[in-house]
Amino acid sequence: GQQVQQSPASLVLQEGENAELQCNFSSTATRLQWFYQRPGGSLVSLLSNPSGTKHTGRLTSTTVTKERRGSLHISSSQITDSGTYLCAMEPGANTGKLTFGHGTILRVHP
Amino acid sequence: DPKIIQKPKYLVAVTGSEKILICEQYLGHNAMYWYRQSAKKPLEFMFSYSYQKLMDNQTASSRFQPQSSKKNHLDLQITALKPDDSATYFCASSPLSYEQYFGPGTRLTVL
Repeated sequence: GQQVQQSPASLVLQEGENAELQCNFSSTATRLQWFYQRPGGSLVSLLSNPSGTKHTGRLTSTTVTKERRGSLHISSSQITDSGTYLCAMEPGANTGKLTFGHGTILRVHP
Repeated sequence: DPKIIQKPKYLVAVTGSEKILICEQYLGHNAMYWYRQSAKKPLEFMFSYSYQKLMDNQTASSRFQPQSSKKNHLDLQITALKPDDSATYFCASSPLSYEQYFGPGTRLTVL
């Protein structure tokens, strides 16, 4: 079945440093969606894009569907960015099904 | 105001019993979904509905039955509960095949 691999599994940063989170997927995707999962468990949608680059605030998502990979860049990290970042791919077939990776745990220290 | 409501937030059930997880969305979306997150596992897709019709079912067990009484409701009935069903169940919605928004989840514990 479809697989989504995220790397690194965990990342520790000093406040102000940048982060690059990677997402690789095993089959064709029509789009990637990045989520932030709060320590309490709720999910916040960050960015969704089928291909190319998309920005919001300090976040940049880049999706290269032909190469089956994507990335999330976080600039000038803040302590409140700490948490789990999830990558999900939609394989197509127009059913809305998302396949998730295990996530990257980010810790930002002062 | 929360745009996707899930009830209850926490649920404890005994093995063999039946429970219904409630989901309502007020985003005007035509598609709704259920996902499950078990300990140490990634979020797992269960069902998708569009205009109250089943689009995709990735749940092998018939013990899990979605119920859509209104276009902005998609409840999940689980029968003959087992301890392995313990997980957090998330409801989501979107325009079909566009960015999905998730509810806060229902944490189910089966004893």
